[in-house]
Amino acid sequence: ETGVTQSPTHLIKTRGQQVTLRCSSQSGHNTVSWYQQALGQGPQFIFQYYREEENGRGNFPPRFSGLQFPNYSSELNVNALELDDSALYLCASSLNRGSSTDTQYFGPGTRLTVL
Amino acid sequence: AQSVTQPDIHITVSEGASLELRCNYSYGATPYLFWYVQSPGQGLQLLLKYFSGDTLVQGIKGFEAEFKRSQSSFNLRKPSVHWSDAAEYFCAVGYSGGYQKVTFGIGTKLQVIP
Repeated sequence: ETGVTQSPTHLIKTRGQQVTLRCSSQSGHNTVSWYQQALGQGPQFIFQYYREEENGRGNFPPRFSGLQFPNYSSELNVNALELDDSALYLCASSLNRGSSTDTQYFGPGTRLTVL
Repeated sequence: AQSVTQPDIHITVSEGASLELRCNYSYGATPYLFWYVQSPGQGLQLLLKYFSGDTLVQGIKGFEAEFKRSQSSFNLRKPSVHWSDAAEYFCAVGYSGGYQKVTFGIGTKLQVIP
């Protein structure tokens, strides 16, 4: 059984550009959540995808968008990058979308630097 | 809105000493509470979770946490710290409806000295 994987590991972009981050969920998991972790902060919830649809969102602007594919892998897209978007982006997968009791399994993250 | 406070940003303990990391939460309903650990360059690993029942929860790596509703606290403890426990620890509260949103605290960085 493979765990949650994310790619790329590191990424450098310039302000105004667009970026796509990828996540492969743990085998059998149909729910993926994305978090942003700025330096020195705890992770902040961006949104959650369940069976290819967004079913929950945190306080992030629409330029943060996502996709989930039939195999339950996921992408996070960020348009018009700003300096404050520099952070570690974490993906987490779980079995059940609505249950806060379900364990989320986190990937190692993608470190995004915006110059 | 739910929130989590971890009052200690950085803690240093000697190897073999006991450890307690503090966490206070704010949530209107029955909280779902978690402790995660993050080592440098790694993702988050779940140490333990509380949903209901026994207020003393046992986790992995010898950690335990106690839920105290009257104090809105969920402190993490370990009787004897090992050098490998040096990491950052996050307390989190879960949202209980519709989707699985977890709110994290700012984290406590644990340093272990010989």
